[in-house]
Amino acid sequence: AQSVTQLDSQVPVFEEAPVELRCNYSSSVSVYLFWYVQYPNQGLQLLLKYLSGSTLVKGINGFEAEFNKSQTSFHLRKPSVHISDTAEYFCAVSPYGQNFVFGPGTRLSVLP
Amino acid sequence: DAGVIQSPRHEVTEMGQEVTLRCKPISGHDYLFWYRQTMMRGLELLIYFNNNVPIDDSGMPEDRFSAKMPNASFSTLKIQPSEPRDSAVYFCASRDRDSYNSPLHFGNGTRLTVT
Repeated sequence: AQSVTQLDSQVPVFEEAPVELRCNYSSSVSVYLFWYVQYPNQGLQLLLKYLSGSTLVKGINGFEAEFNKSQTSFHLRKPSVHISDTAEYFCAVSPYGQNFVFGPGTRLSVLP
Repeated sequence: DAGVIQSPRHEVTEMGQEVTLRCKPISGHDYLFWYRQTMMRGLELLIYFNNNVPIDDSGMPEDRFSAKMPNASFSTLKIQPSEPRDSAVYFCASRDRDSYNSPLHFGNGTRLTVT
C-alpha cells in the first residue's frame, strides 16, 4: 500500500518570498509522483509530475519539485510567490500508473 | 476539449432522499475515478473504472453508495438513502488510456449538502 504525508497543513508566506511545501511518501513499489493545486470551488489541476530521469522537475506557474529517492520525498518549491498562488496543494503518488493516493493537502496563504 | 463535466454543481437534499451525481469524462479517457473530499478526511477514493468496468470499489463507504458506468462517456454515483454525514464535495476525474503515467483530470465537483 502507498501513503503520502504532508506535514504542514497550513503555510503562510509573504508575497515575493520563497516557499517550500513538503511531501513524503511510503510505497513498496515504484511510483510516479505528482503535485496538484486546488483553487477555491474548483477541481484539482496538475502542477507537475515526476516519472523518471532528472530529479528536478519544473511545472506551471514557476513551481518546481525535487525527487529524493533516499528520503522518499518530493518537495515543492517556488522562489517567489504571488497572491494568486493562494490555494491548497496536494501531493500524490501513483503506483505503476494505476490508482492515485493523495496527501491531506497544504493550504498556502500568500500575504500582501 | 471541454474537460471533465460534473452535474449538478450543488445539491441540497433531505436525509433519506436519493441523490444521483453525474460525470462525463474527457473523450478518449478510459479510466474514471470518483473521489470524496471533506475537511476531516481529505480526498478519499471511492471507486474507479477502467473501460467501464469497476476495478476497485473498496473505498465505497457503505451499501448506500453505488456507482455505474454504462458507457465510456457517462458515469453516475448514487447515494440511497442519503445521510447528513454524506455531505462533502464529490469529484470525478478521468485519465488517458494510452499513457499509464498520465495525470488525472478533475471536474469542478458536486457540493452535496444533506440536511
